[in-house]
Amino acid sequence: EVQLVESGGGLVKPGGSLRLSCAASGFTFSSYSMNWVRQAPGKGLEWVSSISSSSSYIYYADSVKGRFTISRDNAKNSLYLQMNSLRAEDTAVYYCAVKRSVAGMVMYDPWGQGTLVTVSS
Amino acid sequence: DIQLTQSPSFLSASVGDRVTITCRASQGISSYLAWYQQKPGKAPKLLIYAASTLQSGVPSRFSGSGSGTEFTLTISSLQPEDFATYYCQQLNSYPQTFGQGTKVEIK
Repeated sequence: EVQLVESGGGLVKPGGSLRLSCAASGFTFSSYSMNWVRQAPGKGLEWVSSISSSSSYIYYADSVKGRFTISRDNAKNSLYLQMNSLRAEDTAVYYCAVKRSVAGMVMYDPWGQGTLVTVSS
Repeated sequence: DIQLTQSPSFLSASVGDRVTITCRASQGISSYLAWYQQKPGKAPKLLIYAASTLQSGVPSRFSGSGSGTEFTLTISSLQPEDFATYYCQQLNSYPQTFGQGTKVEIK
């Protein structure tokens, strides 16, 4: 069974740091691009960052560029998001998701259950 | 950046109704569009990819159409379990943006 389990969320003060992890199982993790998507309380989905299978290609939303760093360890089947200089507006549930491809068409599937990050003093 | 605009943002409907949600892209994205369903407290679930391909296991009452800049998600006969929020996402280029969502509630 394909499974993604996020961890590392919690309460942090503005300006603080947090590192999220996403543990993958049930599929060949090293073959897939991975992504972070977040959702602020009561709001819609916001794409945050993507990393290719071999970490050769990395992309960030402008809202997190320079503050967040995505990385992966294919030997450990794990995805990470290092979040620095956190702001109140970074408060959200953070989901990891697999980017799959079928006949050249792509999609995010499956998704983890999410981990809540709260930035507050 | 490509912007996605969903309409309506909120929809009130009855069981058995036919429901259509529209997603418009600010520039052409070919068929690089996916639709997701999200229920409260849960992760999004993939419904449709490549604008019109039904994900395995998704009921056939869901369908998608469109290409270029205009796309639709249709639920042919709304069921109680379909009351949720629906999002479109473009996967043509980065940032891989989402629409703002359409909340489908019980009338």
